[in-house]
Amino acid sequence: KQEVTQIPAALSVPEGENLVLNCSFTDSAIYNLQWFRQDPGKGLTSLLLIQSSQREQTSGRLNASLDKSSGRSTLYIAASQPGDSATYLCAASFNKFYFGSGTKLNVKP
Amino acid sequence: EAGVVQSPRYKIIEKKQPVAFWCNPISGHNTLYWYLQNLGQGPELLIRYENEEAVDDSQLPKDRFSAERLKGVDSTLKIQPAELGDSAVYLCASSLDGNGNEQFFGPGTRLTVL
Repeated sequence: KQEVTQIPAALSVPEGENLVLNCSFTDSAIYNLQWFRQDPGKGLTSLLLIQSSQREQTSGRLNASLDKSSGRSTLYIAASQPGDSATYLCAASFNKFYFGSGTKLNVKP
Repeated sequence: EAGVVQSPRYKIIEKKQPVAFWCNPISGHNTLYWYLQNLGQGPELLIRYENEEAVDDSQLPKDRFSAERLKGVDSTLKIQPAELGDSAVYLCASSLDGNGNEQFFGPGTRLTVL
């Protein structure tokens, strides 16, 4: 069974700080990797999808990278805002999607 | 464009009762997923459909869970009988196809079994 790990489980930062969320997976034969945001009591909102042939994807203040050889992906959030507070999940696709347990982010005003 | 629709949003039932969840995927999406999410955990796949065919149901507890996707559009997930441990959020997602395309999730159904 594939394993996807997210560290840290929780993170609290002051507003305006740049931050990095980490996602690691056990198999380099990844098909793609998707980052999601989940607000309390809500479903998952897709943020970025990185295909295995890509190294990174950017959307606004978000940048996600993928390093298959080391089994890692990072989500970089620039100039964090209180509205960024949520749980961020990564999902690695092999024959199916495997999710990490998420990083709960709190951005303090 | 409408997103993935799920109903009900919340359901509270007594143990041993049946329960059903409904999902309408994004129009044109051939692949439909049902996930289970426990508190503080990431979603875990229960079943994946390609059109009306269940192509991965290896994690579906078939003694009490069943699913169908008639006509390759809407889908229903059923639990009968429900157990206390089934309390969780049941998420439906869809994608254009199963080749690792971007998944889009519905709001989920929060099930509480008393």
